[in-house]
Amino acid sequence: DAKTTQPTSMDCAEGRAANLPCNHSTISGNEYVYWYRQIHSQGPQYIIHGLKNNETNEMASLIITEDRKSSTLILPHATLRDTAVYYCMFKDPYSGGGADGLTFGKGTHLIIQP
Amino acid sequence: DVKVTQSSRYLVKRTGEKVFLECVQDMDHENMFWYRQDPGLGLRLIYFSYDVKMKEKGDIPEGYSVSREKKERFSLILESASTNQTSMYLCASSLQYQPQHFGDGTRLSIL
Repeated sequence: DAKTTQPTSMDCAEGRAANLPCNHSTISGNEYVYWYRQIHSQGPQYIIHGLKNNETNEMASLIITEDRKSSTLILPHATLRDTAVYYCMFKDPYSGGGADGLTFGKGTHLIIQP
Repeated sequence: DVKVTQSSRYLVKRTGEKVFLECVQDMDHENMFWYRQDPGLGLRLIYFSYDVKMKEKGDIPEGYSVSREKKERFSLILESASTNQTSMYLCASSLQYQPQHFGDGTRLSIL
């Protein structure tokens, strides 16, 4: 499945913006970028997704470069509860009849420091 | 808010037992999925279903079966549990073409 590159771990101070990068240089035109996170001992949580325009929701913002080969997830005011492993991935939501499985890479372990 | 509920957070069973893992979603989602998650192996798709009574094999269906008699419920069955099926099992659901939403998982130990 699709391959992404993320830093293994990152630290961020509580209250500051956390910026998590992801490289996805092999993404194709129909594929969306998705971000999930997984807090220890819980199931993955969907955060945000986008195709080419920047996206924002109540959890985060997603900035996709113009060439779409990389993106950044921004948590604007990180809290201790944002400590988790963050997974970036890309897929075409319309492939496989819209019911394709997800593949997570190793992700970034984000640690929010008090 | 999307709610995907898995029947047990922790489960311990013995080798050879028939094991049922239940998943219920309350969002009228067409698609439902079963994954297992193991350290170093990431997330692997076992089975999915895109409609009632419909099922499709994922990447690792061997040793498992599924049942979807009602839209909101998707069951994973281990026909004869083995120790290599000790894992975290995750259920997810989605609307057609939309992101998947996960339950909190069932940590299953087979002794």
